[in-house]
Amino acid sequence: QKEVEQDPGPLSVPEGAIVSLNCTYSNSAFQYFMWYRQYSRKGPELLMYTYSSGNKEDGRFTAQVDKSSKYISLFIRDSQPSDSATYLCAMSFVHNTDKLIFGTGTRLQVFP
Amino acid sequence: GAVVSQHPSRVICKSGTSVKIECRSLDFQATTMFWYRQFPKQSLMLMATSNEGSKATYEQGVEKDKFLINHASLTLSTLTVTSAHPEDSSFYICSARVASGGATHEQFFGPGTRLTVL
Repeated sequence: QKEVEQDPGPLSVPEGAIVSLNCTYSNSAFQYFMWYRQYSRKGPELLMYTYSSGNKEDGRFTAQVDKSSKYISLFIRDSQPSDSATYLCAMSFVHNTDKLIFGTGTRLQVFP
Repeated sequence: GAVVSQHPSRVICKSGTSVKIECRSLDFQATTMFWYRQFPKQSLMLMATSNEGSKATYEQGVEKDKFLINHASLTLSTLTVTSAHPEDSSFYICSARVASGGATHEQFFGPGTRLTVL
């Protein structure tokens, strides 16, 4: 079993839709949870990070962590074609650890 | 914002040759840099952690004699793939963490280097 599971997609939605991206994980010791966006042939860029359980909102993006279910989500409201990219979840054990464990990424396509 | 560059962005080489990839933090100092590898449709996998002025720490299963890492300054780390073989073909991405320490989420990623070994 992989430590972090993520549906690779692709997920195709019309412009303006609400997008829900999810990851599950197996190790309850994870404390920090991140979402990265990666455009084709580019490195990942950090979108959101959350410590422990709870929600965090930043503009059109909302990150949710449910540690009891070992499940994290990223919601994108009013999706735009420019949101088309691969979204990777990542997690780590403690705040000052170096190692990030990534999901495989979900490819999102937002069509006009 | 913090910018990390990689050079080259793409390299094609013959089997058995060595390839060097550079990772630079352009506008900040990075005591720690990380090297990841990403195969198609797979996760980014951490290969090694590179600390300025000391030996790199390699993840389990990564051959340190094959993937040579040098972190000679606070803004530059290099990864050399020695005696490359077709199975080494992958997307290599570095990231850098700011020198003040910072939390894990403060890693900034480079744009990646696509290595193709013929």
